[in-house]
Formats: sequence, C-alpha cells, structure tokens
Amino acid sequence: QKEVEQDPGPLSVPEGAIVSLNCTYSNSAFQYFMWYRQYSRKGPELLMYTYSSGNKEDGRFTAQVDKSSKYISLFIRDSQPSDSATYLCAMSEGGSYIPTFGRGTSLIVHP
Amino acid sequence: GAGVSQSPRYKVAKRGQDVALRCDPISGHVSLFWYQQALGQGPEFLTYFQNEAQLDKSGLPSDRFFAERPEGSVSTLKIQRTQQEDSAVYLCASSLDGSTDTQYFGPGTRLTVL
Repeated sequence: QKEVEQDPGPLSVPEGAIVSLNCTYSNSAFQYFMWYRQYSRKGPELLMYTYSSGNKEDGRFTAQVDKSSKYISLFIRDSQPSDSATYLCAMSEGGSYIPTFGRGTSLIVHP
Repeated sequence: GAGVSQSPRYKVAKRGQDVALRCDPISGHVSLFWYQQALGQGPEFLTYFQNEAQLDKSGLPSDRFFAERPEGSVSTLKIQRTQQEDSAVYLCASSLDGSTDTQYFGPGTRLTVL
C-alpha cells in the first residue's frame, strides 16, 4: 500500500458542477498538505497549501484536511472547462522539503 | 518573468546510451529539485540542491543517475547506460529558499528509452 492513495479517475463533470477530489494517507507524521494542478505536458502548479487540519478557501477552491481520518479533499465550485487537468495531492512531514505525491486524478469538465 | 525551463523537452535514447537533461531554475532561487514522473503516477523525488551543494540524493534509483549544479544555477541530470525502466518525465523544480518554500516546476523532459 502506498503512503498516499488517490483515485486516478477520470472524473467527468458538466460545466458549473461542484467537484470533489480526495486523497487518503497512512503516514501520521504528515503536517503539510498541498494540491497541484497539472495540465497535459506541463509541470505541476501549486494550487493550495495547508498546514495541519482545517479548511482553506481561495476563490473557487477549498482545501480540507482531516488528520484524524487521514483524509484530504479539494473542492472546486462552478467548475470550468479550463479546470480540466490532473490534480495531484501532495504532503510532507514537518520540516521536510520532500513531498510525497498521490498519482493524480484526471478531471474533465465538459461544456 | 521567466519560469523554470528544461531542455530538451523530448529525448529518445537507445538502451545503453547516456543522456543529459538540463534545468534552468528561476533566477535567484537557491533550491533546486529533480523528480521522476512515470506515466500515470505522481512525481517522485530524486535529489535536492541548495546552491551548488547536493544535500540529498536519497531518491536516485541507482548509481547510473548523477546530478550536478556546479555554479549554483543551472543543473544537469545525467543518466548513464539508460534502461527501458528509465522512461519517464523528469521534472525540475526550484524554490526561493529551501525547506517548505513553494516549489515552481518546469515543463519536464520526456525521456523514452527504446
């Protein structure tokens, strides 16, 4: 079993839908939680960065961390076709510069 | 401003050939990271530089992999005697400082070993 589990999808939704993307993890030492967006043939781009448990909102994006369940989520409101990409969760231990990535979920938002 | 650039973007090598992949980080960024991303997987850490010092090479899969950053700016990842299992996208990222600073990724080099 990998340290970080993420359903690869693809997840296909209509434009305007609320999207929920999730990851589970097994390492209780993880303290920093990140979501990256990766377009085809591009490098990952940091979307959200959260320390420890709780919620964080940035525009249409909301990141949630539940450390007791070892479960993190990314919600995208009013999804747009331009949101179509692979979303990677990543997490790291306190003071570590090495993130452990999930395998990514492919999201397709169709007009 | 310019982001992280990598060259070549695509590289096809015959098994057994040596390859060199180049990364130009964002100007002024102290830290530089190399990752390997296999098809359908997330990036996996290979090695980390702070300026010219290679502080962590724990992710390099074998002694065929070698990375350098001699002047603390441009970095080169070299793979000797390439094998089919080396086929992947090699991503470079840089950050202003080290530690938990935001990492900015380049577009990657897609290596295919035949």
